[in-house]
Amino acid sequence: DTGVSQDPRHKITKRGQNVTFRCDPISEHNRLYWYRQTLGQGPEFLTYFQNEAQLEKSRLLSDRFSAERPKGSFSTLEIQRTEQGDSAMYLCASIPTRGLPNTEAFFGQGTRLTVV
Amino acid sequence: QKEVEQNSGPLSVPEGAIASLNCTYSDRVSQSFFWYRQYSGKSPELIMSIYSNGDKEDGRFTAQLNKASQYVSLLIRDSQPSDSATYLCAGRGGGTSYGKLTFGQGTILTVHP
Repeated sequence: DTGVSQDPRHKITKRGQNVTFRCDPISEHNRLYWYRQTLGQGPEFLTYFQNEAQLEKSRLLSDRFSAERPKGSFSTLEIQRTEQGDSAMYLCASIPTRGLPNTEAFFGQGTRLTVV
Repeated sequence: QKEVEQNSGPLSVPEGAIASLNCTYSDRVSQSFFWYRQYSGKSPELIMSIYSNGDKEDGRFTAQLNKASQYVSLLIRDSQPSDSATYLCAGRGGGTSYGKLTFGQGTILTVHP
């Protein structure tokens, strides 16, 4: 499978625990994006990487959130001291750096986080 | 004003009818636009993209972009029950914002037999 892969697909955790999600983008895509989607809303941008450099972070990304892309390939998103409000679908997408205006971003299948 | 807004609430149409979905946007996300379909619990799936003024057709789907009015729409002809899903409108800027999508809140479409 050469699409965007996310792991795990589902995660249930107790409030206060730390969780880490992984995203493997399409191999030739330089840019990798993380989005969060809560029930009844569209996905909201969290952060993005160009290769290994994290170039933008949303104000939604509190100090409890950290993302890395150490070798410019896969990325991880960690949430420390989870809260019930962190319950959401976390989506990863990748896209080539250079493309046409209608170049498609490819989404992974998402990680559904439930904090109990 | 939100950068991308989908104002229409849940939409219900009979099978075979035309479903019309609408979206307005701000200047910051004005380069290109994407319509995604999302089934419950699944990730967004791209239906169409558009970045030039006018209409773009692909099978039963037509996207329309009006840059003067900052308005983009999606028409679904001959709607089928399998089209029942949430439809997300997304805008994308250029330059350093290339690749970053700004989504509307989505419109739930139900096609009833």
